[in-house]
Amino acid sequence: QLVESGGGLVQPGGSLRLSCAASGFTFSNYWMTWVRQAPGKGLEWVANIKEDGSEKYYVDSVKGRLTISRDNAKNSLYLQMNSLRAEDTAVYYCARGRVIMDVWGRGTTVTVSS
Amino acid sequence: DIQMTQSPSTLSASMGDRVTITCRASQSISRWLAWYQQKPGKAPNLLIYEASTLQSGVPSRFSGSGSGTEFTLTISSLQPDDFATYYCQQYNTYPLTFGGGTKVEIK
Repeated sequence: QLVESGGGLVQPGGSLRLSCAASGFTFSNYWMTWVRQAPGKGLEWVANIKEDGSEKYYVDSVKGRLTISRDNAKNSLYLQMNSLRAEDTAVYYCARGRVIMDVWGRGTTVTVSS
Repeated sequence: DIQMTQSPSTLSASMGDRVTITCRASQSISRWLAWYQQKPGKAPNLLIYEASTLQSGVPSRFSGSGSGTEFTLTISSLQPDDFATYYCQQYNTYPLTFGGGTKVEIK
């Protein structure tokens, strides 16, 4: 099971940190991924991170602003979001897997607005 | 980036119908394609990966085919639980990209 938290309303230019708590599987054995979905739109892959955190990949639109990380001791995945823009408004899902996502959380909503 | 184009964007069908959704990639992705189902207000659910491999627990009425740039998802006999939006996703190259989605509606 994956449970996201940390979403909310933030002003443009602001910051937010999303968390994803994993349970029911050996978290440290899996790549993890963040995917987002803007209101009424399709899915967009955001970033993923290797089991030990040594490799990370990002979509160009978030590079330098969003940072994926993990704490295997806490079975947790994170997304630090800085310099937020209106176009970052979306439901953010964490998912298990490197390129094929087979377990998903319910998502947490981020709204960037003044 | 590899662009994924799905057609149609909306499909109206009746229970029991055979339904086919097409996904085209802007360049060859071999068989590195997955399909997801998403219902309103819910997270996506993995149906198929590597173009035609059914994820564990997914009903056998779902099937996938294709390679290179053209792929299809077929539902052999539409059931009430299948009315949803379907997305294809390529994983040949970063960034991973999704198609725009196909909404399957009740006719």
